Amino acid sequence: DAKTTQPPSMDCAEGRAANLPCNHSTISGNEYVYWYRQIHSQGPQYIIHGLKNNETNEMASLIITEDRKSSTLILPHATLRDTAVYYCIVTRGGTASKLTFGTGTRLQVTL
Amino acid sequence: EAGVVQSPRYKIIEKKQPVAFWCNPISGHNTLYWYLQNLGQGPELLIRYENEEAVDDSQLPKDRFSAERLKGVDSTLKIQPAELGDSAVYLCASSLGQGGEETQYFGPGTRLLVL
Repeated sequence: DAKTTQPPSMDCAEGRAANLPCNHSTISGNEYVYWYRQIHSQGPQYIIHGLKNNETNEMASLIITEDRKSSTLILPHATLRDTAVYYCIVTRGGTASKLTFGTGTRLQVTL
Repeated sequence: EAGVVQSPRYKIIEKKQPVAFWCNPISGHNTLYWYLQNLGQGPELLIRYENEEAVDDSQLPKDRFSAERLKGVDSTLKIQPAELGDSAVYLCASSLGQGGEETQYFGPGTRLLVL
């Protein structure tokens, strides 16, 4: 599975959009980009995933560049409850898909 | 819909004692995963089950760790004997197991402290 690179930490003011970048320059054509987050003392929470096209759900939007070498997770209106570690993971689909978690980005949402 | 259930949430034991963790996956999910998360790090896969078969246990330290998934539903992860370095969070996850885009859903984890 392709390796990802994320900034170790970011700050965001409450109510503003949080844009979390991820580089995955060695991604293969059949690999998905997944985003999870982990709030303190909880298990990782699935946010969103995509293959080529941009995706949006009730939690966030995922923007994948045309060459698929990078992506951005967007939380449109961050709240204090969005403070967490965000993990960008690239993996093949299927039951053998292995989630390789790096150290992620620690997002701190402030008043 | 209930999520992945794990118990206990917290466990404190003395070294050399045995310990067991239990996981009940989301109903209908055929694939079950156990992960280990050390402090300040991301989770790491220990073992993956497809139904009752362990299809990937390459990262499971088999000298002291064992796991089972009887009847392809609930699963138990055991450590015997526990060592100080086993202090960590043990996470269980499940996915549908039907191929394609397999999204894994995680439980809250069991936090183990070995004294």
